[in-house]
Amino acid sequence: TQLLEQSPQFLSIQEGENLTVYCNSSSVFSSLQWYRQEPGEGPVLLVTVVTGGEVKKLKRLTFQFGDARKDSSLHITAAQPGDTGLYLCAGEGAGGTSYGKLTFGQGTILTVHP
Amino acid sequence: GAGVSQTPSNKVTEKGKYVELRCDPISGHTALYWYRQSLGQGPEFLIYFQGTGAADDSGLPNDRFFAVRPEGSVSTLKIQRTERGDSAVYLCASSLLGAGGPDEQFFGPGTRLTVL
Repeated sequence: TQLLEQSPQFLSIQEGENLTVYCNSSSVFSSLQWYRQEPGEGPVLLVTVVTGGEVKKLKRLTFQFGDARKDSSLHITAAQPGDTGLYLCAGEGAGGTSYGKLTFGQGTILTVHP
Repeated sequence: GAGVSQTPSNKVTEKGKYVELRCDPISGHTALYWYRQSLGQGPEFLIYFQGTGAADDSGLPNDRFFAVRPEGSVSTLKIQRTERGDSAVYLCASSLLGAGGPDEQFFGPGTRLTVL
């Protein structure tokens, strides 16, 4: 059973377009993290959100944690070819489980064409 | 500053064989994690160490999988009687504390295991 549903699974857009990736769950998480993964490498942390309703910005990336701490979104403004990669959301501390155990979504493969 | 390293980077084995995958965490990190990532999927949690002890091994799929961290640093993931379904990228991560709140996990590049 996949605790975190990520959508869309694939996204192919042109440079300059905006996009949003969604991460939804029926479970409450203590924190939610977004990662980016390049081929042949491990995931790299982009941001951690902890408080319900929290919004964090990282240059052209905006991350939001739902009020109930069950869902999150990643919005990219004016996408660039360098944004191409696999984006993963991961929840920690679901249902009272221990910190450290991350539950990942299935990922969104983003391709930005020049 | 070295990151998390994993060896080998690629391992090809035959069904039924035994394999060991090694992880060298970032120096000073007390927590170490193993994940498995199948093609087109997100990583799946296997086991988490706090120091030398396994704090949570609920993700190990069956008793063919075992992991150790005898001195609280390097860890080895051991898979007995490998099956074709074990083929995946095995990721290791480490973090400074691993308890008491969100703690950034730093991932290694993974070991790609192929079972023929």
